[in-house]
Amino acid sequence: NAGVTQTPKFQVLKTGQSMTLQCAQDMNHEYMSWYRQDPGMGLRLIHYSVGAGITDQGEVPNGYNVSRSTTEDFPLRLLSAAPSQTSVYFCASSSKGLLNTIYFGEGSWLTVV
Amino acid sequence: AQSVTQPDIHITVSEGASLELRCNYSYGATPYLFWYVQSPGQGLQLLLKYFSGDTLVQGIKGFEAEFKRSQSSFNLRKPSVHWSDAAEYFCAAYHGNTGKLIFGQGTTLQVKP
Repeated sequence: NAGVTQTPKFQVLKTGQSMTLQCAQDMNHEYMSWYRQDPGMGLRLIHYSVGAGITDQGEVPNGYNVSRSTTEDFPLRLLSAAPSQTSVYFCASSSKGLLNTIYFGEGSWLTVV
Repeated sequence: AQSVTQPDIHITVSEGASLELRCNYSYGATPYLFWYVQSPGQGLQLLLKYFSGDTLVQGIKGFEAEFKRSQSSFNLRKPSVHWSDAAEYFCAAYHGNTGKLIFGQGTTLQVKP
């Protein structure tokens, strides 16, 4: 099925560990982005990309790295996990243009202990 | 800076009663606005979107929203709420031509039998 695929769905990390949340889309979308969801704060943008090789910071980028080496993939890296990064993470993608549908992945639940 | 505000964190309505969830936005140009719903432990589902034209927008599951530029609002309504509507609702604005969404804080809807 076409769509946005996030892996893993659930992950428990220890403080200081590193990990990568994977996001892949097979719709040839130019735009991809990562959000984190925390209670009472809605979804906040971490990083986004408007095309392969181009990334930029969102509202809450600290502690996260991204890269966009291909159109299909947009991994989110936590270099040294902290308990404050316990959250639900969503990846999204869309085609270039204002009127195109934005597709979301199913989310990744991350707990840092 | 662009922002989206949902003034009500939590709303409780009786099943069969009408519903209105408030959303206010702050944006200099023409806003592109969305309402999403999220059931517990699930991803985001698009209810409806407004880009231009008719200010009353129909969505899925019997929801509608009205864009009022003079009030900077995009309130979500449903004439008769069902128990299955209990969920968290997010208003969001599209931030320029970059695929980014700015989300409100969310409103949790509880439905009383």
